[in-house]
Amino acid sequence: KNQVEQSPQSLIILEGKNCTLQCNYTVSPFSNLRWYKQDTGRGPVSLTIMTFSENTKSNGRYTATLDADTKQSSLHITASQLSDSASYICVVPLFSGGYNKLIFGAGTRLAVHP
Amino acid sequence: DGGITQSPKYLFRKEGQNVTLSCEQNLNHDAMYWYRQDPGQGLRLIYYSQIVNDFQKGDIAEGYSVSREKKESFPLTVTSAQKNPTAFYLCASRPERQETQYFGPGTRLLVL
Repeated sequence: KNQVEQSPQSLIILEGKNCTLQCNYTVSPFSNLRWYKQDTGRGPVSLTIMTFSENTKSNGRYTATLDADTKQSSLHITASQLSDSASYICVVPLFSGGYNKLIFGAGTRLAVHP
Repeated sequence: DGGITQSPKYLFRKEGQNVTLSCEQNLNHDAMYWYRQDPGQGLRLIYYSQIVNDFQKGDIAEGYSVSREKKESFPLTVTSAQKNPTAFYLCASRPERQETQYFGPGTRLLVL
């Protein structure tokens, strides 16, 4: 079954601390994996895209990793800020029925406290 | 001001009532999508349209209907047949030959 699972479900950290969010997927065949950030009451915004051949990619304080062998990805946030409080969603496309359907994880809700 | 707009931000539905959620984009994207988001669950696809005057059912189309008469617009109607409509509804669009979908700000639908 094509699934995307994320952990933890929620996380609370203090401002300035680092954290790592996990994503495991069983989508096959695999082409790429995306991380989205969703502020409360808003639509998701793309943070990064990891293709099959990429192991690590950084976008400012966000660093995503991908292990295609174990089908795992992580999103590491460095020196967290209050504005990092949001849900982080892992997404993997699945080519089905003639188009790329997106398989969404349930997200990790991150709260950064002062 | 470019992008994807959704209206209203909040919508209340009475029992037996049909309501329509608006989604407009001025990005010249061909493909448009409607998703439903419930707490603790991933986004689920309701309907999608890859071109004007054509649309396809997603995973949870029952109780919903759409139209795509213009490239810029993809309204979603939540019919009275949808027995559990309370959710956050997200519209997205995608440029040709790209996989990245761009999301609107969402509409929260509540049942009175």
